Amino acid sequence: KQEVTQIPAALSVPEGENLVLNCSFTDSAIYNLQWFRQDPGKGLTSLLLIQSSQREQTSGRLNASLDKSSGRSTLYIAASQPGDSATYLCAASGMNSGYSTLTFGKGTMLLVSP
Amino acid sequence: SQTIHQWPATLVQPVGSPLSLECTVEGTSNPNLYWYRQAAGRGLQLLFYSVGIGQISSEVPQNLSASRPQDRQFILSSKKLLLSDSGFYLCAWAGMTGKHRNTEAFFGQGTRLTVV
Repeated sequence: KQEVTQIPAALSVPEGENLVLNCSFTDSAIYNLQWFRQDPGKGLTSLLLIQSSQREQTSGRLNASLDKSSGRSTLYIAASQPGDSATYLCAASGMNSGYSTLTFGKGTMLLVSP
Repeated sequence: SQTIHQWPATLVQPVGSPLSLECTVEGTSNPNLYWYRQAAGRGLQLLFYSVGIGQISSEVPQNLSASRPQDRQFILSSKKLLLSDSGFYLCAWAGMTGKHRNTEAFFGQGTRLTVV
């Protein structure tokens, strides 16, 4: 059964810093790896999707990498801003009982202070 | 473009009362649909998923049930709520490429359910 772990659980940085969020998964037989952002009391907003055949994806100040063989993904945020404060979740997509489902980590709560 | 609607946003229900949460998707056909529950400190737990009308699979035994009466409608229900059913419920959809591989998943805004 797939298990997804995110480290650190919480992170506090001053504005302007570059930072890395880590995600690891136990079963490398994934279809893709997706990063989400969740603001308090809100739903999940998709940030980046990396297919299993890809190594990285970029969107603006965000860059996500995937190393399937080692079961790891990282989300790099450049020049962090207070508006980046949120919980970041990664999810591994894979086969479960014959269907494709997402398994989530518990998230990293990020606070960027002005 | 595709959008997903989920309602209500918040709900306070007494123990033993019924529940019905609705989720609809626009702009896509034959999506995979999912219900997740998010509890504090426990992450997102997959409750149900559906690959088509009337096709529901459950991940965990529970006091809840799901139905998919139409292609783009997914309903989460309970006949009698328990205190432990409190949580943040999220509906999601994903497309499919090939037989099993899902595409990017998108989530609704969630329903905060408090059972009192």
